[in-house]
Amino acid sequence: DAGVIQSPRHEVTEMGQEVTLRCKPISGHDYLFWYRQTMMRGLELLIYFNNNVPIDDSGMPEDRFSAKMPNASFSTLKIQPSEPRDSAVYFCASSLRVEQFFGPGTRLTVL
Amino acid sequence: AQTVTQSQPEMSVQEAETVTLSCTYDTSENNYYLFWYKQPPSRQMILVIRQEAYKQQNATENRFSVNFQKAAKSFSLKISDSQLGDTAMYFCAFMKHFRNTGNQFYFGTGTSLTVIP
Repeated sequence: DAGVIQSPRHEVTEMGQEVTLRCKPISGHDYLFWYRQTMMRGLELLIYFNNNVPIDDSGMPEDRFSAKMPNASFSTLKIQPSEPRDSAVYFCASSLRVEQFFGPGTRLTVL
Repeated sequence: AQTVTQSQPEMSVQEAETVTLSCTYDTSENNYYLFWYKQPPSRQMILVIRQEAYKQQNATENRFSVNFQKAAKSFSLKISDSQLGDTAMYFCAFMKHFRNTGNQFYFGTGTSLTVIP
C-alpha cells in the first residue's frame, strides 16, 4: 500500500487566497483525521471523520476552515481566506482499528 | 476528558547509551491504547510502539520498549543502544473507543531527543 497520500507537499500563498489541501487515506481505513502542527501549539486535531461523516470538528479554529470527505478515498481541508497565522504543517492520518497512519504532511506558508 | 503529558521538552543521549522518555496520562477509562510516535526531521510521523491497556506485559519492538504502569497512568519509552537515526521528536498518544464518537486520539506535546555522536 502507498500509505496516506497528501498533496501538495508544499504550498506558498498570499494572504486572502483560498487554499485547498488534499488527502487520500489508506484503502479500507474508515477513520480520517486532519491535524495542524506548529512550534507554538504543537500537534492539534482539527477534525475527524468516520465512514466519511464528520464526527468532531471542535478543533477547527474558525469558519475560515472547512473540511469535506465526499467518499472513502478522498478528503479536503480548505482555508478561505488564508491568513499568515495559518502557516503550519497540516497532516492527514487514517486509521482502521487502532493505530493512526500519518501522511507526509503539507507545509503551508501564507505570506 | 483525557490528557497526555510529556514533561521533558528536550533530552539528549550519547550514542549507544539508553534513554527513557516519560509520559503520563489522565483518564477514567479502563480499556484504551497507548502509542509512541517518532517524528524525525523529515517530519513524517512514524508509529514506534503500541500498548493495549488490558495487557500487563510491556510491549517491545527491537531496541524500543515501554514501561506501562496502569495504576500510575504512566507510559515511558526506553530506547536502548541509541543510534543517530533516533534523533527525532517523540510523541506519546492515547486512544479510546467511545460508542458515540468512535476512536478518539490524544497526543502529548512531544519530547525532542538528540542522539550525540
